[in-house]
Amino acid sequence: DADVTQTPRNRITKTGKRIMLECSQTKGHDRMYWYRQDPGLGLQLIYYSFDVKDINKGEISDGYSVSRQAQAKFSLSLESAIPNQTALYFCATSDGTGPGELFFGEGSRLTVL
Amino acid sequence: AQKITQTQPGMFVQEKEAVTLDCTYDTSDPSYGLFWYKQPSSGEMIFLIYQGSYDQQNATEGRYSLNFQKARKSANLVISASQLGDSAMYFCAMREPNQAGTALIFGKGTTLSVSS
Repeated sequence: DADVTQTPRNRITKTGKRIMLECSQTKGHDRMYWYRQDPGLGLQLIYYSFDVKDINKGEISDGYSVSRQAQAKFSLSLESAIPNQTALYFCATSDGTGPGELFFGEGSRLTVL
Repeated sequence: AQKITQTQPGMFVQEKEAVTLDCTYDTSDPSYGLFWYKQPSSGEMIFLIYQGSYDQQNATEGRYSLNFQKARKSANLVISASQLGDSAMYFCAMREPNQAGTALIFGKGTTLSVSS
């Protein structure tokens, strides 16, 4: 089983619908992140959390919200999805030691029609 | 202004040859970390190599090495003896300041195609 698990892996929805992407991890890391990947734009940071009580906006947080339900769970919500939120979404974790590289989930591909 | 610039949208190399993927960065913080990730067509993000701004030597990990030129603010990834399995998108990323847990800023990526 993957250390960082994202659900759903694929979702097609309609404009205006509420969508939640979930992320859970078994790595025991405190820090969790949500990134969005668009073709030709690389990965852009949406939100990040250093612990259950700490939530921080990234560079493209508008239209998104997050919830850190537990150390191991970090959810991303689109309250009213729009077509330009069609993208590949990644959850990632890191710990506070060593180089602190990010460990990524397998991604959630979201299509908003 | 972009923090991480990858100027090569696509690169092509033949098997067994070496290839250099360019990355320049912009920061005024003396403490930063530089990372390279690989994204195969299957989509997962794979960590390859890390270089800290205070590291005296260039980082190496197997066939991957990082050509770190601090004065030029460049952190190019060198892949030696390319293999077909190296065909993927490659992302350069930076963390500033270099504190574990600080989010990474990514470049737009370079697509590498390895042919036989």
